[in-house]
Amino acid sequence: EIVLTQSPATLSLSPGERATLSCRASQSVSSYLAWYQQKPGQAPRLLIYDASNRATGIPARFSGSGSGTDFTLTISSLEPEDFAVYYCQQRSNWPKTFGQGTKLEIK
Amino acid sequence: QVQLVESGGGLVKPGGSLRLSCAASGFTFSDYYMSWIRQAPGKGLEWVSYISSSSSYTNYADSVKGRFTISRDNAKNSLYLQMNSLRAEDTAVYYCAREGIAAAGVLDYWGQGTLVTVSS
Repeated sequence: EIVLTQSPATLSLSPGERATLSCRASQSVSSYLAWYQQKPGQAPRLLIYDASNRATGIPARFSGSGSGTDFTLTISSLEPEDFAVYYCQQRSNWPKTFGQGTKLEIK
Repeated sequence: QVQLVESGGGLVKPGGSLRLSCAASGFTFSDYYMSWIRQAPGKGLEWVSYISSSSSYTNYADSVKGRFTISRDNAKNSLYLQMNSLRAEDTAVYYCAREGIAAAGVLDYWGQGTLVTVSS
């Protein structure tokens, strides 16, 4: 099973700042990595797929990069609605696995 | 617009059974792989199972293999998860999700979830 490790566990930033979230895979997943955002009481929402492709309707301030084992989700300038938990997920192998999440909180 | 609506959750005793349903609308259901994902209270996400568009392929997490069965009825635009021999550790919100048509394994739409609680 491919293990995805996200860092940091919690990130405290202010609106307007830049956020950088990391996801490391225990073995290569090529570019088959997605990012999801989850707010309290809501289902996750797809942000980025295949490492760098924004999903439909996702603002341009969200971007993804990386390949192989190291990936990054960047939010260029935080809006109040961006404070949430973010998960990475690989679709390279079954079982398809998620990282443990990074909580982005308001500083 | 794409809608996925889960139902069938509730309180069940250990060893019991439950059948979850997911009603899909707003897209051609028979074209898409579908999946069940769960989230234990306060925890992360776990992919439980997926099923191919024509039901030819299914797969399960080791934690549920032999106890859960995924199925679908394309005529009814519905996805199901039959859960038997339930354990306390199966307590979670269960989400149904659609997989991207050009990117299987990418969950592009999710339902709101249904809570399953396994407790005596």
